[in-house]
Amino acid sequence: GAVVSQHPSWVICKSGTSVKIECRSLDFQATTMFWYRQFPKQSLMLMATSNEGSKATYEQGVEKDKFLINHASLTLSTLTVTSAHPEDSSFYICSARPRPVNEKLFFGSGTQLSVL
Amino acid sequence: QKEVEQNSGPLSVPEGAIASLNCTYSDRGSQSFFWYRQYSGKSPELIMFIYSNGDKEDGRFTAQLNKASQYVSLLIRDSQPSDSATYLCAAIKSGGYQKVTFGTGTKLQVIP
Repeated sequence: GAVVSQHPSWVICKSGTSVKIECRSLDFQATTMFWYRQFPKQSLMLMATSNEGSKATYEQGVEKDKFLINHASLTLSTLTVTSAHPEDSSFYICSARPRPVNEKLFFGSGTQLSVL
Repeated sequence: QKEVEQNSGPLSVPEGAIASLNCTYSDRGSQSFFWYRQYSGKSPELIMFIYSNGDKEDGRFTAQLNKASQYVSLLIRDSQPSDSATYLCAAIKSGGYQKVTFGTGTKLQVIP
């Protein structure tokens, strides 16, 4: 299956700092990348959808100025959590949809963010 | 009403038995359905996808779709302890903005 690389896999940072998470599709081009957040024992919550070369579309309740998404190429999307606070501690997962377009989603390995 | 609903479980089955996981969806515009397996602390892994009414088999897994009843299921035959995980059901509308909606997941425990 298609491979999506996400790193770092674990981040511990101080409150107020910014953290960047990278998501790369290694063996395919991704038309669309999705960013999810998952709190313990809860399901995936879609944060935003990004298409290469255009602005991300954020879900209701997700602050776009806090969660900056850049989809610079067909193989790379980044999520930056700006001025992180303890309540931002969560498991962040990216997923990518291959090009040519099909409906399968492939997930990165996830990033566990802990903000002290 | 949630767009995709699953019983959170846990669903416990003995090793070797058939595990039956169920999912209902509310949006009749949903076209494709996916089952993902997620181990604790790990990302979801695609198990099956289905978009036509009926059954689709892949090894020990069978996905079933009934669009009239808006019902999707996943059967796992000869359940193994390694199948113990949370199973997420997902639905997608075709065309345009293809947002994927996930259920909350069903936790499966296979007892040796």
